[in-house]
Amino acid sequence: SQTIHQWPATLVQPVGSPLSLECTVEGTSNPNLYWYRQAAGRGLQLLFYSVGIGQISSEVPQNLSASRPQDRQFILSSKKLLLSDSGFYLCAWSVKGGNQPQHFGDGTRLSIL
Amino acid sequence: GDSVTQMEGPVTLSEEAFLTINCTYTATGYPSLFWYVQYPGEGLQLLLKATKADDKGSNKGFEATYRKETTSFHLEKGSVQVSDSAVYFCALWVSGTYKYIFGTGTRLKVLA
Repeated sequence: SQTIHQWPATLVQPVGSPLSLECTVEGTSNPNLYWYRQAAGRGLQLLFYSVGIGQISSEVPQNLSASRPQDRQFILSSKKLLLSDSGFYLCAWSVKGGNQPQHFGDGTRLSIL
Repeated sequence: GDSVTQMEGPVTLSEEAFLTINCTYTATGYPSLFWYVQYPGEGLQLLLKATKADDKGSNKGFEATYRKETTSFHLEKGSVQVSDSAVYFCALWVSGTYKYIFGTGTRLKVLA
């Protein structure tokens, strides 16, 4: 069966520090991968999606970036965090061809001090 | 553009009450529709899905029917439990895209 892993589960970082969140998927190949941010009590904001290695589409211009160095690995990064980057970050995957749901990781709670 | 509209929450019910959470959508293509549930501090879990008009998705006592004529996918449950307290998201996937569109979520609180 397929599983998705996100880490770390929680992270507290000072303003201006770098960020790296990692997501890996097991049990499937060539998935579509996604990063979302969820502000407290709010809906999901799509940040990035990827349909293949090295292929990244950005939905929201900001100081975050994403990379997909391997088929089932998706990384969210920042060189300098802002207070507004606080939130709950969710990674998700789906099979290609559509008509199928996304599957989400357990999320990373990021607090910026 | 494509969008999903959910009823505003929070919704507060007594245990064993009937639940309806409204969801309507706008889509240019032929969307698949989903309901997800999010428990505190966790990611989203797929609750049910429907891929074409008149399909009924069901899981754990929850049901939703894909109504193309009213562009709706309302979530229902006949008798809620305290353990159903969570945030519920309606979502759609539009053919020909890689994106999923989510509603803003509806918080459900069930009181014993």
